[in-house]
Amino acid sequence: AQSVTQLGSHVSVSEGALVLLRCNYSSSVPPYLFWYVQYPNQGLQLLLKYTSAATLVKGINGFEAEFKKSETSFHLTKPSAHMSDAAEYFCAVTTGYSTLTFGKGTMLLVSP
Amino acid sequence: DAGVTQSPTHLIKTRGQQVTLRCSPKSGHDTVSWYQQALGQGPQFIFQYYEEEERQRGNFPDRFSGHQFPNYSSELNVNALLLGDSALYLCASSPAVGGSTDTQYFGPGTRLTVL
Repeated sequence: AQSVTQLGSHVSVSEGALVLLRCNYSSSVPPYLFWYVQYPNQGLQLLLKYTSAATLVKGINGFEAEFKKSETSFHLTKPSAHMSDAAEYFCAVTTGYSTLTFGKGTMLLVSP
Repeated sequence: DAGVTQSPTHLIKTRGQQVTLRCSPKSGHDTVSWYQQALGQGPQFIFQYYEEEERQRGNFPDRFSGHQFPNYSSELNVNALLLGDSALYLCASSPAVGGSTDTQYFGPGTRLTVL
């Protein structure tokens, strides 16, 4: 079985500061990994995905993530936080046929 | 190009009742997956439909059932509702080809409250 662990249910940063959201995965086969964002009362929007090509993946809104097999990690970063980045972020891994196993999510809080 | 749409937006039911939620996939997509997102949790996979058949199923009881129509739209049915079924139900669509790397596009969800 595959699983995802997101470290930290809440992360607080100041506007302009670095954003780092942590994700570790467990998988018996090479994984495909995703980051989604969820704004209040909305569905999920894909930020980026890793599909065994480049290990550094660039996504929308200035986010990027690096796949590190040795650390079984796929942490999400953004150099400078904006107020509009405040949302909940989910890391996910595939389990076949595009079905996704999600982590419990990390709420990003951005203060002015 | 319309994305994934779901109806209704909100729904309130009482314990023991039955509910049907509906989903229309993104244009060009023929695979529909359903997820349950309880408050404060990540989405959990319920099942996936392809070619009008259930292709995969998560760890949910038989009270949860579904259907896919020839136009690829889908329904999620939940019988004998329990308080614990209160959640946001998300529908996601993807193209059949491409396998695990395909992006799933999510709808806005249906918020179900069971009293």
